Amino acid sequence: DVKVTQSSRYLVKRTGEKVFLECVQDMDHENMFWYRQDPGLGLRLIYFSYDVKMKEKGDIPEGYSVSREKKERFSLILESASTNQTSMYLCASSSPGQGADEQYFGPGTRLTVT
Amino acid sequence: AQRVTQPEKLLSVFKGAPVELKCNYSYSGSPELFWYVQYSRQRLQLLLRHISRESIKGFTADLNKGETSFHLKKPFAQEEDSAMYYCALGGADGLTFGKGTHLIIQP
Repeated sequence: DVKVTQSSRYLVKRTGEKVFLECVQDMDHENMFWYRQDPGLGLRLIYFSYDVKMKEKGDIPEGYSVSREKKERFSLILESASTNQTSMYLCASSSPGQGADEQYFGPGTRLTVT
Repeated sequence: AQRVTQPEKLLSVFKGAPVELKCNYSYSGSPELFWYVQYSRQRLQLLLRHISRESIKGFTADLNKGETSFHLKKPFAQEEDSAMYYCALGGADGLTFGKGTHLIIQP
């Protein structure tokens, strides 16, 4: 059973703080993704990674960066949090060739920036 | 550019009534389409994908390339079907999601 875990379910940060969101998967998946989920906007892709130390920008990368030093871990970084980054953040992983594009999601981190 | 459109933000039907959640897509190649579901307080999970052509929890979805649609259907809605439903299109950069439809099944 695929498990994708995220470091926090709820997080409250102040404007200007540096924020780290961690995601770990235990199925040796090559691909990992970060989305934000907002009512009425659906899921929007922030960044994704197809391999260790590789990263690709998604649809809304501005204000975010990522790090993938190990295959199982994909971190999302908000360099200087702003109130418009208040959102639900979802991490996902997938493996090419095994139902490629079927993504397994973490439980989400609800981030509030005050 | 690929795009997924779910025209209904909210759909409310009575228990036992048929349900149809609409999804239209725009894609130049051969599409790979999915429906994901998120029940209250649960993580987003795959419901079904078009290539498997199976029925999951009574739901089916048929790919209509002529109409570029992948509507999700169930003949008799149940209260436990209440959830957020997302249609998604697979591509080179992963999945493109629609904005979602909130399905409410009234008793």
